Amino acid sequence: DSGVTQTPKHLITATGQRVTLRCSPRSGDLSVYWYQQSLDQGLQFLIQYYNGEERAKGNILERFSAQQFPDLHSELNLSSLELGDSALYFCASSRSGGVETQYFGPGTRLLVL
Amino acid sequence: AQSVTQPDIHITVSEGASLELRCNYSYGATPYLFWYVQSPGQGLQLLLKYFSGDTLVQGIKGFEAEFKRSQSSFNLRKPSVHWSDAAEYFCAVDNTDKLIFGTGTRLQVFP
Repeated sequence: DSGVTQTPKHLITATGQRVTLRCSPRSGDLSVYWYQQSLDQGLQFLIQYYNGEERAKGNILERFSAQQFPDLHSELNLSSLELGDSALYFCASSRSGGVETQYFGPGTRLLVL
Repeated sequence: AQSVTQPDIHITVSEGASLELRCNYSYGATPYLFWYVQSPGQGLQLLLKYFSGDTLVQGIKGFEAEFKRSQSSFNLRKPSVHWSDAAEYFCAVDNTDKLIFGTGTRLQVFP
């Protein structure tokens, strides 16, 4: 158990819909990362937040957005969903967001029908 | 651009045999390297990491990896594989706060 929690574990929805994935980092960690794992793209970095502020952005679609709240939990919002958005979405956290170990949550499996 | 290559998509070994999973990286500066393991339906668990210092690093579950700058490699090894090691293994490099992952190597273990 990494100490990072993600909800929900599974999500099934339809094209065009909007969903919110939630992540709680390890106690004391200030930085949260979001990754997408799909069969065709592999594991890809989406976005990082540090202490409430966006710090780095990867290949995140404009239909996707994220935020980190004062209690340091983070949410990833996916809108206008397409079939290709079906994937496993991981959240990771680290102490400060520099070069250090990232601890991963169990992931949210999203299926878009 | 920074990248990580895992040349072996799928490896099959017998239980008790030794294991080496290959990882090559492309990175301009000193790399910070990681190996993660993903069991079916699970998240990513850190096996070991290299930041600096001793080029042979020990990890959990009896794994070790050796950083070789001259070969741009960070191969993962285990002297004797257990059936519970069957999983997917990912090598990653830290690129200014985000991890760049290889495509993974799926390990199958036969009894």
